[in-house]
Amino acid sequence: QQQVKQSPQSLIVQKGGISIINCAYENTAFDYFPWYQQFPGKGPALLIAIRPDVSEKKEGRFTISFNKSAKQFSLHIMDSQPGDSATYFCAASGANNLFFGTGTRLTVIP
Amino acid sequence: EPEVTQTPSHQVTQMGQEVILRCVPISNHLYFYWYRQILGQKVEFLVSFYNNEISEKSEIFDDQFSVERPDGSNFTLKIRSTKLEDSAMYFCASRADRANTGELFFGEGSRLTVL
Repeated sequence: QQQVKQSPQSLIVQKGGISIINCAYENTAFDYFPWYQQFPGKGPALLIAIRPDVSEKKEGRFTISFNKSAKQFSLHIMDSQPGDSATYFCAASGANNLFFGTGTRLTVIP
Repeated sequence: EPEVTQTPSHQVTQMGQEVILRCVPISNHLYFYWYRQILGQKVEFLVSFYNNEISEKSEIFDDQFSVERPDGSNFTLKIRSTKLEDSAMYFCASRADRANTGELFFGEGSRLTVL
């Protein structure tokens, strides 16, 4: 069972553009929603996270929007840079573990 | 900055052989995890471990898998009789606390290739 659904699978954005990645979850018991960034050959690293009691969280160029009623959340990367090129995973946390989405490979073209 | 370390970085083994992947979590962390990632695919939960016992495990974590914290620092994943489909990157992760408040820190992974 796919606990967290993520789209798109891949994304190509021009430098300076906005990258948007969407996720949806089913389990209403989830109460922590992080985004992880993974570079080739590395482990995932926490980028930004949100709890369902807020609708938006912004850290620098990265913003999470959260819609609790729709059970959806998204990552927006403003002013995308070539260094942002990586795979991005949304995730949702239950009591004991973290469920990952399928990942989005982002390529930012100079 | 504290980090999760994993060894080996890459292991090649024959089908049917036993493999042990080792992890040293961050020293003050209490919750430990193993995930795997088949090349280019999503990160899949295998097992979580707390207080010297398994907290939760996925369907993937069958009788061929086991975890152990043999001393105060190491956390190991054993695959008893490897199959071709066990080829993947295995990530260890640790967290300081349980209640969905803390960041999960990942190691750089151990790549397992089963021939």
